[in-house]
Amino acid sequence: GQSLEQPSEVTAVEGAIVQINCTYQTSGFYGLSWYQQHDGGAPTFLSYNALDGLEETGRFSSFLSRSDSYGYLLLQELQMKDSASYFCAVRAVNQGGKLIFGQGTELSVKP
Amino acid sequence: GAGVSQSPSNKVTEKGKDVELRCDPISGHTALYWYRQRLGQGLEFLIYFQGNSAPDKSGLPSDRFSAERTGESVSTLTIQRTQQEDSAVYLCASSPQLEGGGQAFFGQGTRLTVV
Repeated sequence: GQSLEQPSEVTAVEGAIVQINCTYQTSGFYGLSWYQQHDGGAPTFLSYNALDGLEETGRFSSFLSRSDSYGYLLLQELQMKDSASYFCAVRAVNQGGKLIFGQGTELSVKP
Repeated sequence: GAGVSQSPSNKVTEKGKDVELRCDPISGHTALYWYRQRLGQGLEFLIYFQGNSAPDKSGLPSDRFSAERTGESVSTLTIQRTQQEDSAVYLCASSPQLEGGGQAFFGQGTRLTVV
């Protein structure tokens, strides 16, 4: 089966850099995705790593290491609006492509 | 439409009644997912469609839950004899293809309250 683990909450200050880790146990997956969800809103896609390495999209970067079963989301120049829940997700190969989410990390950005 | 559309946005129902939740995916998206999210919790997988077949129904909590999809279009999630523990936000997502991009697009959800 598949399982993904993330810290339940992280707190950081405005302007800082924060890293949200995701470790997983899976027998095969297409790639690691990250989603952002604000209170009362729907999850929105942030980034996707199909291959090992770093993907950068503006202030957000995501990293994947398949050999270490590990990935992370890096948020730079934190802003108050970045306060939200962040979910990592994998699309499982041997379960017909089911998209499986971690339990989410609640990020609080303080002034 | 431009995005995934879910209806109703809010539903209050009495315990024991049946409810039907609807999801209109983005046109052309072959994959469709249903998730349940309780307040302050993560995304609980319910069921996944590839086209109109459901390769994985393992997340449906009980036989009171069922879902169907017409072609590569609308899906409905039906909950029979609702219970208070069914109260949650039900999220639908669609994805353009099986392997590529990893990006799923979510609707705004249906907030179900069972009283």
